[in-house]
Amino acid sequence: EPEVTQTPSHQVTQMGQEVILRCVPISNHLYFYWYRQILGQKVEFLVSFYNNEISEKSEIFDDQFSVERPDGSNFTLKIRSTKLEDSAMYFCASTARRTGANYGYTFGSGTRLTVV
Amino acid sequence: DQQVKQNSPSLSVQEGRISILNCDYTNSMFDYFLWYKKYPAEGPTFLISISSIKDKNEDGRFTVFLNKSAKHLSLHIVPSQPGDSAVYFCAAANTGNQFYFGTGTSLTVIP
Repeated sequence: EPEVTQTPSHQVTQMGQEVILRCVPISNHLYFYWYRQILGQKVEFLVSFYNNEISEKSEIFDDQFSVERPDGSNFTLKIRSTKLEDSAMYFCASTARRTGANYGYTFGSGTRLTVV
Repeated sequence: DQQVKQNSPSLSVQEGRISILNCDYTNSMFDYFLWYKKYPAEGPTFLISISSIKDKNEDGRFTVFLNKSAKHLSLHIVPSQPGDSAVYFCAAANTGNQFYFGTGTSLTVIP
């Protein structure tokens, strides 16, 4: 069964450092997403990406965040200057089309980001 | 801004019995709802969905009920199995890209 692959599974970084979280969506999917879950809290939407541009972003997704699809397979989330409160599980997801009947995202297994 | 709420953080059920997980939402514009299951150290896995034109959708042991007037949906698992033990998230959207997730309910099925 096709999977969304995320690397690394765990990233530890010092406050103020830049991190890049990597995702390989399912190959025929067109819509890509980043969500995050701070420990003990709900899963929160960060950004959606379609046709090489951001289609929607949340208030969390400020100037410190950026996304890129540098080639035909990878989808990355960059945090320019990490803060302690950026520590969370970051989930990448993809889907072949926008929401519709019996459709859901396929999530990756997540990258646990720990900012120290 | 808690648009989707799961008020029960945990639920324990005996194997073979019914598990009922509940979810409430506040935004009447939501028209598409999903349930996800999540095991530790894994990403959420899509389980079942329902659109606002229906009030019930069934898939094997899983049934989702939607009560639009009460802004409430529930997931029924019958019969519950130990492998169903996981965290269950409900999510809602209004045909846009963004889903709003609840905080999850941890289900434990006791053998």
